Amino acid sequence: GENVEQHPSTLSVQEGDSAVIKCTYSDSASNYFPWYKQELGKRPQLIIDIRSNVGEKKDQRIAVTLNKTAKHFSLHITETQPEDSAVYFCAASIWETSYDKVIFGPGTSLSVIP
Amino acid sequence: GAVVSQHPSWVICKSGTSVKIECRSLDFQATTMFWYRQFPKQSLMLMATSNEGSKATYEQGVEKDKFLINHASLTLSTLTVTSAHPEDSSFYICSASSQPHRRRGKAQTNEKLFFGSGTQLSVL
Repeated sequence: GENVEQHPSTLSVQEGDSAVIKCTYSDSASNYFPWYKQELGKRPQLIIDIRSNVGEKKDQRIAVTLNKTAKHFSLHITETQPEDSAVYFCAASIWETSYDKVIFGPGTSLSVIP
Repeated sequence: GAVVSQHPSWVICKSGTSVKIECRSLDFQATTMFWYRQFPKQSLMLMATSNEGSKATYEQGVEKDKFLINHASLTLSTLTVTSAHPEDSSFYICSASSQPHRRRGKAQTNEKLFFGSGTQLSVL
């Protein structure tokens, strides 16, 4: 089955600096890669996603890149702010007969230091 | 985005009792619902996938007799933790998908998951 790895597990950056989180996936059939932000005790919130036919996508301070050949995808947050502090999960979606199944990476705890 | 309601938000129960968690899609028909479990400081682990009107598909290592899933309508899925024990204490969260059936290779439709607010289960 699909396996998603994520690094680093924890990340601390100074406010204003950039943060990069990297993920790899195992199943080349995966075709959709969402990123979620989760605050303690809350539901995950989709912050950006990318499909397999696109190499890069940007939304204001957040960007995601995808390398299908290497099965790598990354989240880039620029000009980080304290409110960006949270746990971030990458995920990969794989088609299972009649539905897409989303498998999550282990998460990255991001701390933005004021 | 679409709204998914999950109840209860938290529950405390005695060991040996059963707990039912409901997940409702309020403004769309959820053809597929997913149940995840999340232990503290860990990732969301997929437990099972339920499709309306059919049996749930459980992930490896998840006991189907322990975690009963019912998806009786296009707007409601329930997870029942039977004979709960302290090790079942966790954050359970559902998500719903409204994507229509499609075959591999066809143009992609909206694949976003809509999450419920989660249920914190504490078994004493």
